[in-house]
Amino acid sequence: DAKTTQPNSMESNEEEPVHLPCNHSTISGTDYIHWYRQLPSQGPEYVIHGLTSNVNNRMASLAIAEDRKSSTLILHRATLRDAAVYYCILLDSNYQLIWGAGTKLIIKP
Amino acid sequence: DAGVTQSPTHLIKTRGQQVTLRCSPKSGHDTVSWYQQALGQGPQFIFQYYEEEERQRGNFPDRFSGHQFPNYSSELNVNALLLGDSALYLCASSLVVTGNTDTQYFGPGTRLTVL
Repeated sequence: DAKTTQPNSMESNEEEPVHLPCNHSTISGTDYIHWYRQLPSQGPEYVIHGLTSNVNNRMASLAIAEDRKSSTLILHRATLRDAAVYYCILLDSNYQLIWGAGTKLIIKP
Repeated sequence: DAGVTQSPTHLIKTRGQQVTLRCSPKSGHDTVSWYQQALGQGPQFIFQYYEEEERQRGNFPDRFSGHQFPNYSSELNVNALLLGDSALYLCASSLVVTGNTDTQYFGPGTRLTVL
């Protein structure tokens, strides 16, 4: 199974953009890149997903490298409510989400 | 529109006992996945149910079993509980897809403590 690598934690100031990196050097051609986040004491929440092209939605943007070996989740203007653990996950052809330990995002007011 | 619900919220059992956790999927969803999340770690996939059958299974022993009912709700059963089974158990629902773009909606989880 292809794996992802993320920094353990990151800090950012409130109302500034946040770029969360993810490496997935063993990704296969059909693996989708998914991002979920988990707020304290809650179940994970879907953020965004993509295959090859950059993606945007109301929550975030996903920038995917041309060789697909890495991607970056972009929160355009972080708020205190964005403090969470962010997971970069690959959905493989068996429909399984392979989770890592994620990045704990700390937002400073 | 109700999201994914799980019961109970918390549960305390002793080693060797058996436990049943329940999940109701988001309205309109037909697929249920179960995950185990140890403290400080990401969720680990246990298995997924679709059309009342186990479709995929992660690396968990046979002590972990499940069931899906005709109304798409699901149960997770764990037999012969071990201390290491203490974790947050998450249920996620989704729509079956032919491509791998499956977006999952998670419940709040059941916190199981084994003493």
